[in-house]
Amino acid sequence: QKEVEQNSGPLSVPEGAIASLNCTYSDRGSQSFFWYRQYSGKSPELIMSIYSNGDKEDGRFTAQLNKASQYVSLLIRDSQPSDSATYLCAVPTGNQFYFGTGTSLTVIP
Amino acid sequence: DGGITQSPKYLFRKEGQNVTLSCEQNLNHDAMYWYRQDPGQGLRLIYYSQIVNDFQKGDIAEGYSVSREKKESFPLTVTSAQKNPTAFYLCASRWSGGEYSYNEQFFGPGTRLTVL
Repeated sequence: QKEVEQNSGPLSVPEGAIASLNCTYSDRGSQSFFWYRQYSGKSPELIMSIYSNGDKEDGRFTAQLNKASQYVSLLIRDSQPSDSATYLCAVPTGNQFYFGTGTSLTVIP
Repeated sequence: DGGITQSPKYLFRKEGQNVTLSCEQNLNHDAMYWYRQDPGQGLRLIYYSQIVNDFQKGDIAEGYSVSREKKESFPLTVTSAQKNPTAFYLCASRWSGGEYSYNEQFFGPGTRLTVL
């Protein structure tokens, strides 16, 4: 079983819609969870972090964490074409970060 | 500006050559990492270092070597033993203080290596 799993997509949503990205993890002791955005040909950049169960909102982005279900998600409201990218879920365990394979999102104008 | 720099941005290697990818950070981070990314795949850990003069193998260390002689620098050498080195290479760093598990990784801009 992989440490971190994501649906690879591709996920397509119309402009203005809500995009929902999902991630599951295997280490029940994980304490922190990160979402990175990676544009084609570029390096990942951090967009959200979450540590406690529930929701965390930052602008159009909301991260949701459910530790009992070992599930973390990212919602993007009012999706824009500039949100088209691959979104990576990352979960640190000890000294290492474990990344999902990423979900490719396309926002259609 | 604080950050991570990687050079070169693009690198071409002939079969049988060793090449070294540079990674420098001025964030005063103790931990540094090297990842490889292939098209459609996630990040795979090559090597990481928590402190100067110490480093550990990641999941795909075969055919690669690293050194950590300075806190700011963590160069990666791709040796001729690496049979399929064409990929996007990413260097990252992470602060080791505070609540360590809550500290994110920061990435450099990457080096794209192509074997001719």
